Amino acid sequence: NAGVTQTPKFQVLKTGQSMTLQCAQDMNHNSMYWYRQDPGMGLRLIYYSASEGTTDKGEVPNGYNVSRLNKREFSLRLESAAPSQTSVYFCASSEAAGTVYEKLFFGSGTQLSVL
Amino acid sequence: ELKVEQNPLFLSMQEGKNYTIYCNYSTTSDRLYWYRQDPGKSLESLFVLLSNGAVKQEGRLMASLDTKARLSTLHITAAVHDLSATYFCALSGGGADGLTFGKGTHLIIQP
Repeated sequence: NAGVTQTPKFQVLKTGQSMTLQCAQDMNHNSMYWYRQDPGMGLRLIYYSASEGTTDKGEVPNGYNVSRLNKREFSLRLESAAPSQTSVYFCASSEAAGTVYEKLFFGSGTQLSVL
Repeated sequence: ELKVEQNPLFLSMQEGKNYTIYCNYSTTSDRLYWYRQDPGKSLESLFVLLSNGAVKQEGRLMASLDTKARLSTLHITAAVHDLSATYFCALSGGGADGLTFGKGTHLIIQP
């Protein structure tokens, strides 16, 4: 089982460029999430999708957009990258948000640098 | 707003010693999670604690949950170098917005 697959693993952007981070899960999970991890900050939620067809803002949504393409896929888009978006991005999924089946399964992460 | 505080944030200890990492949180919750992250890697689930008084153990790690005190602990017994990692606690707010994470405890175990 592949679990949660993220691409790319590394990316360098110039300020103002755009890009999309891709995430797919093969566990038939309903809920998907995007977190960012910065040194000393833990993980902070950017956007989430509780179920197919829904998306909602998390703690730090500014500068990002998301698309829940289908049950398997949840992408994160940076329209105009800024140096403050330099971070490690993790996609995660869970069977059912807000229930005892909410344990998160994480992808391997994308290390993004914005120059 | 749900807040999760871990302490210490950094811990250097010797092999063979015991130590405890603390996770305090601000609102009532019955579900708490512990994750491990190795440098440059993803997060791996260690324990899921689903009720007051829950205790889970695996190898040299034991986690417990006291919902009345809003406290979870991760106890390390006779530490070995392989346990060096960053440990996160994460709490469910009961809603659809996933888990709220502490800042992590960076643990270094020296021979």
